[in-house]
Amino acid sequence: KAGVTQTPRYLIKTRGQQVTLSCSPISGHRSVSWYQQTPGQGLQFLFEYFSETQRNKGNFPGRFSGRQFSNSRSEMNVSTLELGDSALYLCASSLTAGGKSYEQYFGPGTRLTVT
Amino acid sequence: GENVEQHPSTLSVQEGDSAVIKCTYSDSASNYFPWYKQELGKRPQLIIDIRSNVGEKKDQRIAVTLNKTAKHFSLHITETQPEDSAVYFCAASGTGGYNKLIFGAGTRLAVHP
Repeated sequence: KAGVTQTPRYLIKTRGQQVTLSCSPISGHRSVSWYQQTPGQGLQFLFEYFSETQRNKGNFPGRFSGRQFSNSRSEMNVSTLELGDSALYLCASSLTAGGKSYEQYFGPGTRLTVT
Repeated sequence: GENVEQHPSTLSVQEGDSAVIKCTYSDSASNYFPWYKQELGKRPQLIIDIRSNVGEKKDQRIAVTLNKTAKHFSLHITETQPEDSAVYFCAASGTGGYNKLIFGAGTRLAVHP
């Protein structure tokens, strides 16, 4: 099976702009989670989507949002970019059912640089 | 709040030695504990995981132990090889269940030939 894919892989944006990142999960996986990775804060959970619904959300401002489509592909959007949003954004897909946590497989990430 | 502490932050061993990384979690409701390996410039890769109803799990040279009472879990790598050099992250399932993971800060493991 093909792994998790993310596009674009690299992105440079200016403060105040907005950005949309895309994630395609492993075929058959219906859960997509998003994480932000920075040298200072490490890996932090942003949100999780399952069946087009946000199931869980981390402690990030409302500028960070996401959605999931009927084919399980997910997008995340960051509006009014700040310098501190520069990070590697990782998505992870999971085969999930019910309330149990399942193995998550990460994509290669999108490296966002805000100038 | 939810927190996972990971120690040590760096670990240097000789090839063939064992390496142990320890994590402590704060949320007593956490029930799933995966470990990820991340090589430079690569994505985190799931190497082993354990659920709260199990005390130990082994996969070849890698083992994980869980002490629910103390809220500790550890990764043990035996017979280390240079290709084991990477950053290792522990994680615990977060409040609200499902697939929210709270990660430790990572351990940079260097295995010297």
